[in-house]
Amino acid sequence: DGGITQSPKYLFRKEGQNVTLSCEQNLNHDAMYWYRQDPGQGLRLIYYSQIVNDFQKGDIAEGYSVSREKKESFPLTVTSAQKNPTAFYLCASSAKADTYYGYTFGSGTRLTVV
Amino acid sequence: DAKTTQPNSMESNEEEPVHLPCNHSTISGTDYIHWYRQLPSQGPEYVIHGLTSNVNNRMASLAIAEDRKSSTLILHRATLRDAAVYYCILSAGTASKLTFGTGTRLQVTL
Repeated sequence: DGGITQSPKYLFRKEGQNVTLSCEQNLNHDAMYWYRQDPGQGLRLIYYSQIVNDFQKGDIAEGYSVSREKKESFPLTVTSAQKNPTAFYLCASSAKADTYYGYTFGSGTRLTVV
Repeated sequence: DAKTTQPNSMESNEEEPVHLPCNHSTISGTDYIHWYRQLPSQGPEYVIHGLTSNVNNRMASLAIAEDRKSSTLILHRATLRDAAVYYCILSAGTASKLTFGTGTRLQVTL
């Protein structure tokens, strides 16, 4: 079945450590996105990529970094510069405009920094 | 980006229709209207999207006002599995980045 896989589902890290969240899709989608969700809040866009080897900052990019070396993969690194990294992280992908049927989301990674 | 306004919460009885409203008075002529829903501890799920005309799919219907300043997501027969947060979102194109607000929390009761 086609879909998006995020791993791990739960992640615990010590303060000051960088951590990388994995996102892989086999939908052949061109665009990929990373969102952050805090309790009781909506989703906020961190980074997005519409094509391999290119990505743009979203609304809350500070303290995060991404890469898009392959079409299927869009890993997100939460760096020690991110002040409040504990959150639910969601990855999504979408097809090009002429074949658009909405975003497909992964099941998320819940990151806890202690 | 144009902004949307939704009620914080709504309630419905099971097997009755549900009309979820969304106001977007500053919508531009090329903005698409998208609806997603999110169950607890899961990623959002695409429901429907449209531009000017009403749209139907297997999940729901989207009714868009003639002036496009508001829209309504219609669930024809609510079930307990429809209890979720519903987000109404505008975007400049179909595959453009989406900005999610806080949505409407729908409760469905027996």
